[in-house]
Amino acid sequence: DVKVTQSSRYLVKRTGEKVFLECVQDMDHENMFWYRQDPGLGLRLIYFSYDVKMKEKGDIPEGYSVSREKKERFSLILESASTNQTSMYLCASSLVDGTSGSTDTQYFGPGTRLTVL
Amino acid sequence: AQSVTQLGSHVSVSEGALVLLRCNYSSSVPPYLFWYVQYPNQGLQLLLKYTSAATLVKGINGFEAEFKKSETSFHLTKPSAHMSDAAEYFCAVGYSQGGSEKLVFGKGTRLTVNP
Repeated sequence: DVKVTQSSRYLVKRTGEKVFLECVQDMDHENMFWYRQDPGLGLRLIYFSYDVKMKEKGDIPEGYSVSREKKERFSLILESASTNQTSMYLCASSLVDGTSGSTDTQYFGPGTRLTVL
Repeated sequence: AQSVTQLGSHVSVSEGALVLLRCNYSSSVPPYLFWYVQYPNQGLQLLLKYTSAATLVKGINGFEAEFKKSETSFHLTKPSAHMSDAAEYFCAVGYSQGGSEKLVFGKGTRLTVNP
């Protein structure tokens, strides 16, 4: 079974703090993703990475950065947390399916509910 | 550009009744379509995936979805709802960008099952 783990289920931080959210996958997937989920807005892509040290901005990258130093680990960084970054953060990973040409399934972690006070 | 519209942010059914969750997509290329389910306080779990092999796709927990190109739809159904089906359901369309396959999600439909 694919397993995607996230370092914390719940996190409370103060405005201005630097916040690290960690994600680890155990299936040797090339692709990793960070989303935020807000009621009524669904999932929105923050950043993704298709290889070690490679990253691409998603739809809402402002206020966030990422790091991928090892294939299995993808970190989301909030340089200076703000109250509007209170949200559920979901990490996902997927394999690059070069044979079928299809979009492969993304496997999700349990999420980190971040509250910024 | 790819987009997904889920009609109805909230659907309520009685236990044993038909479940129908609607999803319409917009895609400039042949779509890869997904339904995910999210139970309370959990991440997303794949229900089923359409990759053009067959228009009727069967998934886990008795769910299925039918791809209709003419209607650009991929509605999710289950003949008989169970209390354990109460969750939020997300439709998504896949596409490639920057060497990676990405997903665009709908805003979700929360399913309530009444006893």
